[in-house]
Amino acid sequence: NAGVTQTPKFRVLKTGQSMTLLCAQDMNHEYMYWYRQDPGMGLRLIHYSVGEGTTAKGEVPDGYNVSRLKKQNFLLGLESAAPSQTSVYFCASSSRAVAGENEQFFGPGTRLTVL
Amino acid sequence: RKEVEQDPGPFNVPEGATVAFNCTYSNSASQSFFWYRQDCRKEPKLLMSVYSSGNEDGRFTAQLNRASQYISLLIRDSKLSDSATYLCAGDTGGFKTIFGAGTRLFVKA
Repeated sequence: NAGVTQTPKFRVLKTGQSMTLLCAQDMNHEYMYWYRQDPGMGLRLIHYSVGEGTTAKGEVPDGYNVSRLKKQNFLLGLESAAPSQTSVYFCASSSRAVAGENEQFFGPGTRLTVL
Repeated sequence: RKEVEQDPGPFNVPEGATVAFNCTYSNSASQSFFWYRQDCRKEPKLLMSVYSSGNEDGRFTAQLNRASQYISLLIRDSKLSDSATYLCAGDTGGFKTIFGAGTRLFVKA
């Protein structure tokens, strides 16, 4: 099993450009998450999904959109990139097989720089 | 106040030392807590889960104090390979997990 994979690993954008980050998991997990990690800020939740076809806003959703058309994939879109979106983006998934036991499995991350 | 707070460190300890990190949380509804380990430029990986009063796994012991709303991680007999950032996390009881900013540990020879 590959676990959680992310594409691309690195990307440099110019302000105003758009891009989509792809997350895929092969563990049949219901729940998927997108985080950004900045120095001194820890992991902050952008959007999450509790199942195919459903998405919800997290702590810092502005400037991002997501889609979960297939259970195994969770896409994060930046419509018009801004320098403030320079960050490391992590995708995660969890099964929540037992209520309250939200052990998350993370992808390797995408390092995004917006110039 | 952040929902989950950690001392950022860094903690610099010699090999073989015992080191402890604390993490405080503000959401009294949180039921489950976790310690994740994150190596430099890598993704976080689950180290330990804490659902009741505590959990032990080899050299690592995690304890939960609900009255004072903190969890701790104790590392005994530190190894060079323990050098990493340790993230504390609390389950909100809903669909989200709140992470602390992490505590950096450096173990020196």
